Amino acid sequence: SQELEQSPQSLIVQEGKNLTINCTSSKTLYGLYWYKQKYGEGLIFLMMLQKGGEEKSHEKITAKLDEKKQQSSLHITASQPSHAGIYLCGADSLLDSGYALNFGKGTSLLVTP
Amino acid sequence: DTGVSQNPRHKITKRGQNVTFRCDPISEHNRLYWYRQTLGQGPEFLTYFQNEAQLEKSRLLSDRFSAERPKGSFSTLEIQRTEQGDSAMYLCASSRNSGREKLFFGSGTQLSVL
Repeated sequence: SQELEQSPQSLIVQEGKNLTINCTSSKTLYGLYWYKQKYGEGLIFLMMLQKGGEEKSHEKITAKLDEKKQQSSLHITASQPSHAGIYLCGADSLLDSGYALNFGKGTSLLVTP
Repeated sequence: DTGVSQNPRHKITKRGQNVTFRCDPISEHNRLYWYRQTLGQGPEFLTYFQNEAQLEKSRLLSDRFSAERPKGSFSTLEIQRTEQGDSAMYLCASSRNSGREKLFFGSGTQLSVL
């Protein structure tokens, strides 16, 4: 089965600083998704990447997919307290019956004033 | 979109009791998924439905777990004879079509088994 490893596991940054979260897959990536989760709540969709070399941005968050390296990165520019939460990468995992999303363990982000 | 709705938000039960959770997906979504998430881990896939058909059962954690989506709309997840190890967040998600697209998640049901 496909495994997704996220690094770092946790991150504390000062407000205004940039940061990067990585997600590495044990198998070829066909679709890579980034979600954000506030503690004790559901997941909020951020971005989906489907092609090698694809890069998407939304506000101050940019995600890239390196298909050859089976890796994706999420970069936050000029972090704010509102960016705090758990960032999860997910990948399409092929089952006998179709696809389901498989997730990494997440990266916990805290932004300090 | 009114969003994916899950009830209850929190459930406290005693070991050995049965519990049932409900999920109402976004109305035009055909796919419905159940996940379990424990502290410090990512969501773990359990099962999913295409309309009323349950397409994958093999990932359900034991035969104490069962799910239904009788009319292809809302779904229920039941855990029989709960154990302390069942304590977790149970998440429901839905999507419009047949997979390989973003999922919309509910807020989850937090289960505590005493």
